[in-house]
Amino acid sequence: QSALTQPASVSGSPGQSITIPCTGTSSDVGSYNYVSWYQQHPGKAPKLMIYDVSNRPSGVSNRFSGSKSGNTASLTISGLQAEDEADYYCSSYTSTSTWVFGGGTKLTVL
Amino acid sequence: EVQLLESGGGLVQPGGSLRLSCAASGFTFVSYGMSWVRQAPGKGLEWVSAITGGGGSTYYADSVKGRFTISRDNSKNTLYLQMNSLRAEDTAIYYCAKDLGGWPFYFGSWGQGTLVTVSS
Repeated sequence: QSALTQPASVSGSPGQSITIPCTGTSSDVGSYNYVSWYQQHPGKAPKLMIYDVSNRPSGVSNRFSGSKSGNTASLTISGLQAEDEADYYCSSYTSTSTWVFGGGTKLTVL
Repeated sequence: EVQLLESGGGLVQPGGSLRLSCAASGFTFVSYGMSWVRQAPGKGLEWVSAITGGGGSTYYADSVKGRFTISRDNSKNTLYLQMNSLRAEDTAIYYCAKDLGGWPFYFGSWGQGTLVTVSS
């Protein structure tokens, strides 16, 4: 159950787009379209932003989108806003009926 | 509105035990899988355990298997996590999370968490 791999940090200016990659293995990301993404502001509980690789729950802005290619999933945020500054975590269901998170990526809006 | 309220956290010595509870409201509790996810201070998220709506199937991370037990009382709309043989590395905020309603589980709604500190 090794953690998925994410960059420690990414940054972008307001209005720009950024992409956060999440790399797993053939036992998790590569085998299932069961990838999700979570946003966490400091001192707050996480919030589900994307599930099933690219689906948005009701109420989540369409500026957030997800995709997957092979063992790597990605979260793209377009039209960056100051409120998007947060930590982002990817997660995947695995072949051993467990769930694994990525190490998290700190997004800074410059 | 979905509400999840965790309780039961606190300071415990290494080797000790603790039982966390998560009181749920605002949805039909028995219809949803539930999970526990933890976050060590200043660290990332770690999935801990999950249980199906009826309680018939349970799942555990290797790091807690054999030490933690997840359960639920659907008559009380409450999720539990019994934690035994606690270690310093179990120190974390423990969140309960409600699934979206399908399989596999997604962590669709979260409580505010309860802090568990394992220290002598």
